[in-house]
Amino acid sequence: AQSVTQLDSQVPVFEEAPVELRCNYSSSVSVYLFWYVQYPNQGLQLLLKYLSGSTLVKGINGFEAEFNKSQTSFHLRKPSVHISDTAEYFCAVRGLGGSYIPTFGRGTSLIVHP
Amino acid sequence: SQTIHQWPATLVQPVGSPLSLECTVEGTSNPNLYWYRQAAGRGLQLLFYSVGIGQISSEVPQNLSASRPQDRQFILSSKKLLLSDSGFYLCAWRATGLFHGYTFGSGTRLTVV
Repeated sequence: AQSVTQLDSQVPVFEEAPVELRCNYSSSVSVYLFWYVQYPNQGLQLLLKYLSGSTLVKGINGFEAEFNKSQTSFHLRKPSVHISDTAEYFCAVRGLGGSYIPTFGRGTSLIVHP
Repeated sequence: SQTIHQWPATLVQPVGSPLSLECTVEGTSNPNLYWYRQAAGRGLQLLFYSVGIGQISSEVPQNLSASRPQDRQFILSSKKLLLSDSGFYLCAWRATGLFHGYTFGSGTRLTVV
């Protein structure tokens, strides 16, 4: 079984500042890792995913994440945020076997202030 | 291209009334289908998933049920709604195979009054 911990429920930041949203996971097997974004009253949209290979993964909207196996982390970063990045962000982990159903974190609300 | 449709977008229902939420996927065959509920501040809770017609797996005991009458149709139902059923319901699909992420529908905001 896997579990995901998003350490911050809310992250306020000013526009054009950098941001990091933290995600730690636990799993007894190798995993795939995902970040999703949810805008108000909408479904979730895939931002990026780590399957294998380079530990630095680039996604849409200028976001990137780094897989750190030793620290079991997959933190999401953006060097300069925009007002439009205000949304809920979910980290998810899926084991390489079984039913392939991912486990989602509780979400981090990114609030970008002008 | 593949699309997922979920309706209605919002729904206000009295306690004790029935529920039917529908989700359909286009442009793919034999998708894995999922129903999630999102309660405020509590993240995503997997309710049901289906790997094929008539095959439903339930993750948590609850007042809800799911059915998959056709390959690309997934229905979430309840005979009698409870106040605690209020939330944001999301349907998702995933292509079979190891490397695919989920595609989510736009969600249904259910308020039980």
